[in-house]
Amino acid sequence: AQSVTQPDIHITVSEGASLELRCNYSYGATPYLFWYVQSPGQGLQLLLKYFSGDTLVQGIKGFEAEFKRSQSSFNLRKPSVHWSDAAEYFCAVGFSGGYNKLIFGAGTRLAVHP
Amino acid sequence: GAVVSQHPSRVICKSGTSVKIECRSLDFQATTMFWYRQFPKKSLMLMATSNEGSKATYEQGVEKDKFLINHASLTLSTLTVTSAHPEDSSFYICSASGLLAGTGEQFFGPGTRLTVL
Repeated sequence: AQSVTQPDIHITVSEGASLELRCNYSYGATPYLFWYVQSPGQGLQLLLKYFSGDTLVQGIKGFEAEFKRSQSSFNLRKPSVHWSDAAEYFCAVGFSGGYNKLIFGAGTRLAVHP
Repeated sequence: GAVVSQHPSRVICKSGTSVKIECRSLDFQATTMFWYRQFPKKSLMLMATSNEGSKATYEQGVEKDKFLINHASLTLSTLTVTSAHPEDSSFYICSASGLLAGTGEQFFGPGTRLTVL
């Protein structure tokens, strides 16, 4: 069955520290991959996406993610976290099905200590 | 570009009443719109997918008579929660996908917080 796993429910980092949020998926073919960020009470903002080509993708706000087919992973990284990065982060996978159906992971809540 | 709006942003209603939530694509034609429900501190659960002019396709476990979805135009979809009850209180988010959106990309609205008393 198709699924998306974000193993870390909650992560706390210090401001200025590096960050990596994990995402693994289960699917028989190459999916479309997304990372979204959600601030409290807000909708989702797309950070970055991978459809094909270079497996290291750059996004907004200094985020990047790397698609590793052998590990079925699409981890999100940022070299230096800012206090404003505190939010909920969702990994999502788009499976072909005619309507671009997205399956979301459970989310990782990021807290940033000053 | 690719902006999606939702109205209202917050709504409080009494149990037994119906509530309509609008989702609009402001600068592109949305051939497909999606409705999600998000429980507190949980991920988004897809409720239904709708194509303009067609009946919505509901996910397993979602009551189609409870959550009425209409996608009458390429820029507007509505979700009506009929005979709302406190357990329907949630954050409802729509997204839209269209010709300008690219393969697999959905653009999300800001969400609607529904509270049923």
